[in-house]
Amino acid sequence: QVQLVQSGAEVKKPGASVKVSCKASGYIFTTYDINWVRQATGQGLEWMGWMNPNSGNTGYGQKFQGRVTFTRNTSISTAYMELSSLRSEDTAVYYCARRITIFGVGFDPWGQGTLVTVSS
Amino acid sequence: EIVLTQSPATLSLSPGERATLSCRASQSVSSSLAWYQQKAGQAPRLLIYDASTRATGIPARFSGSGSGTDFTLTISSLEPEDFAVYYCQQRSNWPPTWTFGQGTKVEIK
Repeated sequence: QVQLVQSGAEVKKPGASVKVSCKASGYIFTTYDINWVRQATGQGLEWMGWMNPNSGNTGYGQKFQGRVTFTRNTSISTAYMELSSLRSEDTAVYYCARRITIFGVGFDPWGQGTLVTVSS
Repeated sequence: EIVLTQSPATLSLSPGERATLSCRASQSVSSSLAWYQQKAGQAPRLLIYDASTRATGIPARFSGSGSGTDFTLTISSLEPEDFAVYYCQQRSNWPPTWTFGQGTKVEIK
């Protein structure tokens, strides 16, 4: 079945960087955009940006410009999200999610989420 | 930037009742809207995409409608497992960006 499996929880100090992976299976990885969404405890969903796994083209939400980088390794069907200059407000669960179809409006499936904790 | 406003913030209903959730966009998004359900400790689950198409495996009691700026998610008869938080989401074409509403919590009355 189509699924996205993310890397495990991370604890980082302020100012550090974190890199989260998202491994796709059950479909052709390069066909559909991968998006990243985060959610702080008790808060709503916040879109971070998208990546086209075929071309490597990316788009970042204004709030994250200059601090986030999306990459991929097509040989292992894996997308990566790296967030730098971490601060306590970046403590959240980070999700990867696939665009449902090439042009569809919606994300499905989602990864299970990766908790990133930023604490001194 | 397009802003999505969901109402009400909380909906208190009993099992078997009909739930009507609203999502309003600050400018027209055509039919570029999706709805999600999220339960505590779980990833969001896509219910509706392209404003009115049910995702695979979603029960027929969930339906989406609307276009332009006003959208509705209807749950025709609430089941116990439907009590959760619901989010709407839109996509802007240029620049390509996605935005979520702030969520509506459907709780047991």
